[in-house]
Amino acid sequence: QTVVTQEPSFSVSPGGTVTLTCGLSSGSVSDSYLPTWYQQTPGQAPRTLIYNTNSRSSGVPDRFSGSIVGNKAALTVTGAQADDESDYYCVLYVAGLWVFGGGTKLTVL
Amino acid sequence: QLQLQESGPGLVKPSETLSLTCTVSGGSINSGNSYWDWIRQPPGKRLEWIATIHYSGFTHYNPSLKSRATISVDLSKSQFSLKLSSVTASDTAVYYCARHTAQSGDFSWGQGTLATVSS
Repeated sequence: QTVVTQEPSFSVSPGGTVTLTCGLSSGSVSDSYLPTWYQQTPGQAPRTLIYNTNSRSSGVPDRFSGSIVGNKAALTVTGAQADDESDYYCVLYVAGLWVFGGGTKLTVL
Repeated sequence: QLQLQESGPGLVKPSETLSLTCTVSGGSINSGNSYWDWIRQPPGKRLEWIATIHYSGFTHYNPSLKSRATISVDLSKSQFSLKLSSVTASDTAVYYCARHTAQSGDFSWGQGTLATVSS
């Protein structure tokens, strides 16, 4: 069974840059997995930030960017702001199934 | 702007069938490039994709739920639905309906509805 892995938590200083990653329990992530990133605050529906590795969803600030770094998908937040404090999930398209990661709790302090 | 709204009972008894409906507005449910999804999130756990349907009738299920889940579409009402049979407490979750386009993870999400399985 494929498991999508993410860091459980991360912290960044206001104005700083942080990169979150999304990997596979076995194998490397590539564009063909359509890596997509969501932001979710408690009690709210997820909001798509980045899809298909590096395409920014409508209305998403350009301080959010996506890429492949090594064998993982990556979400970079540049110039972090207080309201970026949230949970971030990735999803990969693996053998015809959408498989979500466990999420990373990002703290801005 | 596309809007998705889930509806269904908030409470279901164990062993019964959970039925949920998603109403689509601001967009066409029979758009050829659109695929309609059910995704759930148990309390404190990760999101889990359940199933996808296309207006043509194409369906695809998560193997972990395939034997219990049925997704369907009603073009006349711009709705799609999920039935999950033989529910247990582990099916307690916020259920989201969503849409994605072909070859893209750019999901548009409903607000979600909490379904609790309890006697």
